[in-house]
Order: sequence, then C-alpha cells, then structure tokens
Amino acid sequence: GQNIDQPTEMTATEGAIVQINCTYQTSGFNGLFWYQQHAGEAPTFLSYNVLDGLEEKGRFSSFLSRSKGYSYLLLKELQMKDSASYLCAVRDSNYQLIWGAGTKLIIKP
Amino acid sequence: GAVVSQHPSWVICKSGTSVKIECRSLDFQATTMFWYRQFPKQSLMLMATSNEGSKATYEQGVEKDKFLINHASLTLSTLTVTSAHPEDSSFYICSTSLERGGDNEQFFGPGTRLTVL
Repeated sequence: GQNIDQPTEMTATEGAIVQINCTYQTSGFNGLFWYQQHAGEAPTFLSYNVLDGLEEKGRFSSFLSRSKGYSYLLLKELQMKDSASYLCAVRDSNYQLIWGAGTKLIIKP
Repeated sequence: GAVVSQHPSWVICKSGTSVKIECRSLDFQATTMFWYRQFPKQSLMLMATSNEGSKATYEQGVEKDKFLINHASLTLSTLTVTSAHPEDSSFYICSTSLERGGDNEQFFGPGTRLTVL
C-alpha cells in the first residue's frame, strides 16, 4: 500500500529552527509537495521537489532524497504565525496526490 | 498566483436536503479539478477527480450517486451532496493543478464547511 509518515506534532521556540520529516512509500514518484494549513483554512502551497537536493525559498527550505523515500521541511527564524499544520504529499505514478496526516507545529514565545 | 474560489464558504442544512458547492478557477482554465474532504484533525482525503466535459473519477468508497460532480466548463466544477446526513458534515475543498515555471503547483479553494443537522 501507499504510505506517508510524518510526526503528529512538534513544538519549537520563536526565532529557532525546526525540521519536519516526511517518509513515503508510494507506487511511483512524480514529485513531493509541502503545504501549510492553518486551522479552518485550506492548505497553501509551500514547496515542490522532484529532484534530489535542497530547495530554498526564504525562511523555508525543502529537501528530497528519492533513494531513501525521505523529505524534510526546514523552517528558520520561526514566527508565531508559523503555528499551523504542515502537510507532506507525494504524487504517485498515476499523478494522484497521496497525503500525509500532517504535522501540527506549535510555536512558543 | 492562480486563484480558486469556492461558494459558499460555509453552509448549515437539515438532514435529507441537498447542498451544492461551486468551485471556480478565476484566472485560468482548469481541465481537471479535484475534490477533497477533510474531517477534523485529519488529512485531506481525495473524493474525486473532476474532468471538464466528461464523467468524474471517484475514489474507492466514495458514492458517486451521493456526491454528484459536474464540470461543465473550464472554469467551474460543482459538487452536490445529495440527501445529506450528519456524517457528511466536513470541510470540502476543491483544487486544481497548474504547470508553471517548472513547478507543478496545486491551488486550493478556500474550502466549504458543511454542517448537517
């Protein structure tokens, strides 16, 4: 079966750095996505990785290792507004998105 | 960025009634739209893929006669929850994908919160 694993919840301090991991087992691979979702709102796109390596976008970076079925989202200089759920999703060989359950990130002052 | 809108943003209805949710792509043509359902504290669950001009493709376990999808134009897809029951209360989100600048992004509508009494 297809499976996406990510931690259920993480806590970090304002101004610090946090890394959210995602491991996946899917039928084929056509890219990995990270989304941010605040409570009661729809997800918003953060990053897309299809090749191995690190993609940096401002305070957020995303890493992919296809051989290991592994990705992480790195958030730097954490702000209180970064408190949200972070969803990892993989597009499989049928170009369908397989979603992780999300990681709830709690930022403390 | 690409904008996807949904209407209504929230709806409360009585058990047994039908509810229609609209999903529009505002600044681009979307041949394919996706409909998701999200229960509290759970991840998104794909319900169906809506293709313009053809029948929608439903995920396993999703009743196509209960969740009617119409994608009559390149900018509008509708999801109708027929004979709604309290267990259908959920957050319904539509999305579409757009290939742009080497990235393939999926854009989500703001979601519709359905409460069935």
